[in-house]
Amino acid sequence: GESVGLHLPTLSVQEGDNSIINCAYSNSASDYFIWYKQESGKGPQFIIDIRSNMDKRQGQRVTVLLNKTVKHLSLQIAATQPGDSAVYFCAEKYSGNTPLVFGKGTRLSVIA
Amino acid sequence: DVKVTQSSRYLVKRTGEKVFLECVQDMDHENMFWYRQDPGLGLRLIYFSYDVKMKEKGDIPEGYSVSREKKERFSLILESASTNQTSMYLCASSSPLTGNTIYFGEGSWLTVV
Repeated sequence: GESVGLHLPTLSVQEGDNSIINCAYSNSASDYFIWYKQESGKGPQFIIDIRSNMDKRQGQRVTVLLNKTVKHLSLQIAATQPGDSAVYFCAEKYSGNTPLVFGKGTRLSVIA
Repeated sequence: DVKVTQSSRYLVKRTGEKVFLECVQDMDHENMFWYRQDPGLGLRLIYFSYDVKMKEKGDIPEGYSVSREKKERFSLILESASTNQTSMYLCASSSPLTGNTIYFGEGSWLTVV
């Protein structure tokens, strides 16, 4: 079946380094992708999104890259800070009026 | 700011009890969702609703039902709670005006003993 998955379930980075969180998707019909950040004890919060007609989108310290050829999505966090420590989820949306499908999440730990 | 409020953060219920998890959003969103979150399994969709009195099954509806009598409120019901329903439950809402972004509540931790 179609699924959204992650290459690395946990990631540890030094404070100040850049972080890259990867996500694979299998539904070529997906037309929208989104990243959420979930801090301990809280609900997921929107970080950044990208439509399938784009390859790259930048926000504040974050960049999402979409490679439709290999069905791969990544979230890059520049100058990672302790406050970035969280679980990050990618999600895809199939075309049409369908709910988001979430991946299993990657835990990012920032080492001070 | 969008606010999705889940009335109970922590609940402990006994096996066989009927459990209600309530969710209210204040942004007049048409769409509401209930997810369950378990370690290693991510977020799994239980039920969703695109309008009042409408409901659709998600990926794991077994053992759950929902109620959407008012636009702002979406309730998740466990008719007879079981220990395998111990989990974190997340409510979310969205609107065509917000695009595809959904907004989550803070979650409800349910323990069934």
